[in-house]
Amino acid sequence: EAQVTQNPRYLITVTGKKLTVTCSQNMNHEYMSWYRQDPGLGLRQIYYSMNVEVTDKGDVPEGYKVSRKEKRNFPLILESPSPNQTSLYFCASSLSWSGEQFFGPGTRLTVL
Amino acid sequence: AQKVTQAQTEISVVEKEDVTLDCVYETRDTTYYLFWYKQPPSGELVFLIRRNSFDEQNEISGRYSWNFQKSTSSFNFTITASQVVDSAVYFCALSEASNQGGKLIFGQGTELSVKP
Repeated sequence: EAQVTQNPRYLITVTGKKLTVTCSQNMNHEYMSWYRQDPGLGLRQIYYSMNVEVTDKGDVPEGYKVSRKEKRNFPLILESPSPNQTSLYFCASSLSWSGEQFFGPGTRLTVL
Repeated sequence: AQKVTQAQTEISVVEKEDVTLDCVYETRDTTYYLFWYKQPPSGELVFLIRRNSFDEQNEISGRYSWNFQKSTSSFNFTITASQVVDSAVYFCALSEASNQGGKLIFGQGTELSVKP
């Protein structure tokens, strides 16, 4: 089954404790992205990648890192999480820049 | 700068009513794509439609229809004879050719509540 998976689905952590949210897709898509969703703000793109080793900042990259060492994986790293990073995070992939995005199920992160 | 505006934060209708969700976008590109996604209460994001900037034909899919007007930079979404299952948050999004790395701009979303 074609899908985007994210882990963990739920995470509660404390300020400053490094964490990684994994994202993997099995559709051989070139493009992958991370978004955060906050009430009243919609979805905002954090980082995106158009291919292995090619990443770029979205609208809200501060406090986040990504890597794309393999085509299928695009982990999101929070080196020193802060409470303002409490949010719902979505990973997505697409075949091209103009293609529909396939979204993962979301990761709800709470930083205390 | 590119921007997507969904001015309606929340809409509430009674079942069987028609409802239109507005989407206005800003872009300097001549080549771009517009999208609508649905987020039901279960939280997943579901793709509904993609439209490129050179195709202004309206599209109908069952009870759903989309009206794309470049003259007013709008890409509105109408649900005919709404049903309770249509209750969700709906997002409009824009992807531009000048950002072929995959940058995608979403609107703030419109929360639609359909009451029985």
